[in-house]
Amino acid sequence: EPEVTQTPSHQVTQMGQEVILRCVPISNHLYFYWYRQILGQKVEFLVSFYNNEISEKSEIFDDQFSVERPDGSNFTLKIRSTKLEDSAMYFCASSSILAGVGEQYFGPGTRLTVT
Amino acid sequence: GESVGLHLPTLSVQEGDNSIINCAYSNSASDYFIWYKQESGKGPQFIIDIRSNMDKRQGQRVTVLLNKTVKHLSLQIAATQPGDSAVYFCAENDNQGGKLIFGQGTELSVKP
Repeated sequence: EPEVTQTPSHQVTQMGQEVILRCVPISNHLYFYWYRQILGQKVEFLVSFYNNEISEKSEIFDDQFSVERPDGSNFTLKIRSTKLEDSAMYFCASSSILAGVGEQYFGPGTRLTVT
Repeated sequence: GESVGLHLPTLSVQEGDNSIINCAYSNSASDYFIWYKQESGKGPQFIIDIRSNMDKRQGQRVTVLLNKTVKHLSLQIAATQPGDSAVYFCAENDNQGGKLIFGQGTELSVKP
């Protein structure tokens, strides 16, 4: 069964450093998402991406964040200068059609720890 | 403002019993609702969804009920098994894009 994959599974970085979280969505999917989950809290939407551009972003997704689909398979989330409060699980998701009609498939997540 | 919340943070049931997990939402414009299961260290896993033109939808051992009048969503798990132990999230979409708004989650523990 096709699945969303994410690398690395755990990333430790120092405050102020740049990190890139990588995702490989399901191959025939067109819509891509990043969510994050701070430990013990609910999953929060960060950004959606379609047709090589951002469709929607939340207030969390400020200028320190960016997303890119550098090739036909990868989807990345970059945090330019990490802060302590960026420590969280980051989930990538993809769907074949826009939510409301079909489900989003989530990857296993990358645990980001900022020290 | 928009929010999706859950009534109980934890639920403990005996193996074989039925489980009911509840969710309240506040955005009357939401028209698509999903239940996700999240096991420790894993991403959310789709369980079942329902559109606002339906009151009930059944899957394998799971049923989702939607009451739009009181903005309430529930997930019923029949004959709960130890493998059902996880955190369950409801999520909503307002058909303005793909964004899902998640609730806080209910941790289900199944006692053998």
